[in-house]
This record gives sequence, structure tokens and C-alpha cells, in this order.
Amino acid sequence: QLQLQESGPGLVKPSETLSLSCTVSGGSISSTSFFWGWIRQPPGKGLEWIGNVYFIGTTNYNPSLQSRATISVETSKYQFSLKLTSVTAADTAVYYCARQTWTGRYYYMDVWGKGTTVTVSS
Amino acid sequence: DIQLTQSPSFLSASVGDTVTITCRTSQDISNYLAWYQQGPGKAPKLLIYAASILQSGVPSRFSGSGSGTDFTLTIGSLQPEDFTTYFCQQLKSYPLTFGGGTKVEIK
Repeated sequence: QLQLQESGPGLVKPSETLSLSCTVSGGSISSTSFFWGWIRQPPGKGLEWIGNVYFIGTTNYNPSLQSRATISVETSKYQFSLKLTSVTAADTAVYYCARQTWTGRYYYMDVWGKGTTVTVSS
Repeated sequence: DIQLTQSPSFLSASVGDTVTITCRTSQDISNYLAWYQQGPGKAPKLLIYAASILQSGVPSRFSGSGSGTDFTLTIGSLQPEDFTTYFCQQLKSYPLTFGGGTKVEIK
């Protein structure tokens, strides 16, 4: 059964770059049926989609992040990654990685990592 | 961006009750809508996609309906593990967006 696991620093200083990785296990990262995405949830708030990446490197992003986000994939390592530059306290959140499945007609996010908490503070 | 408005934000109910949560979108998304359940401190879990298709392994007391801009999630005969938070999500166009959530509490 496919599993996702986020990893990265739990504390980032303001103005620095947040870097997270998501490791895919129990399945293929190179399937044509999947996108690999990042979603975040500030404390006590709702979910915000950050963006996703296809195994060949094609990406989609949320414009609300004003080009601060970069998502990449390394298929040989079964990993995809998120970099978020110039962070502020507003970027403090639980960050989830998730698989976005394409059925040929519908998308849905059916596999999620457990999430990792990132706090932005000096 | 497509905005999703969920109602109610909070809902009090008892074990065995049937409850309905509504999600309204700011534009027509056909049936490209999913529902998720999120327990405290846990990742979201997919319940329904394509507005009404039950994800494998999800109990049949969960059902979804709707098309266009108005959607509903119905939970029949609430069980103790169902008292948690639910989100809708549109997957019609990027950026993908979520509703604000509905917390189902024990009355």
C-alpha cells in the first residue's frame, strides 16, 4: 500500500527558505495516473493547496503564494520536494504531501502523509 | 479562483442522527467535487469524489450529491468516530480550493 512521509526542519527563521521532502513508498512515483502535491493547514484553520508536480516535472501552483513556492520531483529517489522562500509567521502550518489521482475523468487526493509541523520564528 | 462556502461551520448532533453538510461553489464545477474527513491531529481522509462516488473502504452511511454549484454530504446514523471535521474540495480547475470546514460535535 502506497505511503507518503514528509521530512524537513520543524523550525525556520523569518525571511529564510522552508524546504520539505516527501518520500513515496509502496508504489510508483512515475505513474501517468498521479500528480504529487503539497497542502498546508495553519493552526486551527482550513486547508490551502500549495501546488503539485507530475513525474516528468510539470508543475501547477497556487498564485496566492506569489511565486515563492517551487515543487520538484526526483523519481530515482522516490521523492518530491517543496521550497518556499521568504517565509513569515503566516507560513507557520502543518504541511501535508498528498497523491492526486487521475481516473481519466476525475481527480481526487486519496493518499496523504501524516503531516509535518513547520514553525516560522526567530 | 473558485470559492467554496461550507455550511454550517459547526453542527451539534447525537449518535444515530442523520446530518447534512452543504458546499456551495462560486462557479459551476459540474461534479468535480470531493469530500474529506479530518480527525484531530490527523491528515484528511478521502470520503467521496466526483460529488457522489464513495471511496473504497468508506462506510455506506456516507453519501454525496449535487452538481453545478450546490453539493451535499450526508452522514446517516452518526457513529462516535464521525464526530470530527469535514471539508469539501473542488478539482475542476487550478488552483484547487477547499471549503472552510464543518465541525460535527456531540450534542
